[in-house]
Amino acid sequence: AQSVTQPDIHITVSEGASLELRCNYSYGATPYLFWYVQSPGQGLQLLLKYFSGDTLVQGIKGFEAEFKRSQSSFNLRKPSVHWSDAAEYFCAVGVGGNKLVFGAGTILRVKS
Amino acid sequence: DTAVSQTPKYLVTQMGNDKSIKCEQNLGHDTMYWYKQDSKKFLKIMFSYNNKELIINETVPNRFSPKSPDKAHLNLHINSLELGDSAVYFCASSLRDSGGICTFGSGTRLTVV
Repeated sequence: AQSVTQPDIHITVSEGASLELRCNYSYGATPYLFWYVQSPGQGLQLLLKYFSGDTLVQGIKGFEAEFKRSQSSFNLRKPSVHWSDAAEYFCAVGVGGNKLVFGAGTILRVKS
Repeated sequence: DTAVSQTPKYLVTQMGNDKSIKCEQNLGHDTMYWYKQDSKKFLKIMFSYNNKELIINETVPNRFSPKSPDKAHLNLHINSLELGDSAVYFCASSLRDSGGICTFGSGTRLTVV
């Protein structure tokens, strides 16, 4: 069965520090992979996606993610975190028919 | 101009009541979805409609009935509400061949007391 694992429930980083959020997926075919961000009281906003091609994808707000097939991973990174990045981040895999299977999310806290 | 709008934003109701949540999108998308986010923040798809046709129907109690009068609207009606239905319900939309690129509404927080 398809699944997405985000091992870190909470992560706290200092403003200006680098960030990496982990995501592992289980899916039999070539995956479509996504990172969405949810700010408090808001809906989800697409940060970036991977469909094919270059395994390092760039997204909005300075985020990037790298697809590693051998590790079934799609980790999200940002070189320098801003206080406005505090939110919850969801990794998802597209499993066909536009259906998304989400991970449980990682809450990012940014300390000044 | 809100792309995907849901009403109401908050809904508090008693067990046993029937309630509806409305969703509208002005993006010209042809596919709409309902997702449920439970208290542990797990997001799971419930339904998907493409041009008013039901495409995805996950294992959801039949007390939940989606209705799509046209491709810009997808409403969710819930009968005989239970405590366990308390959650945040997100509407989303996309083009059919988007591969999963969805635009989400801001959610409806349903509390059943």
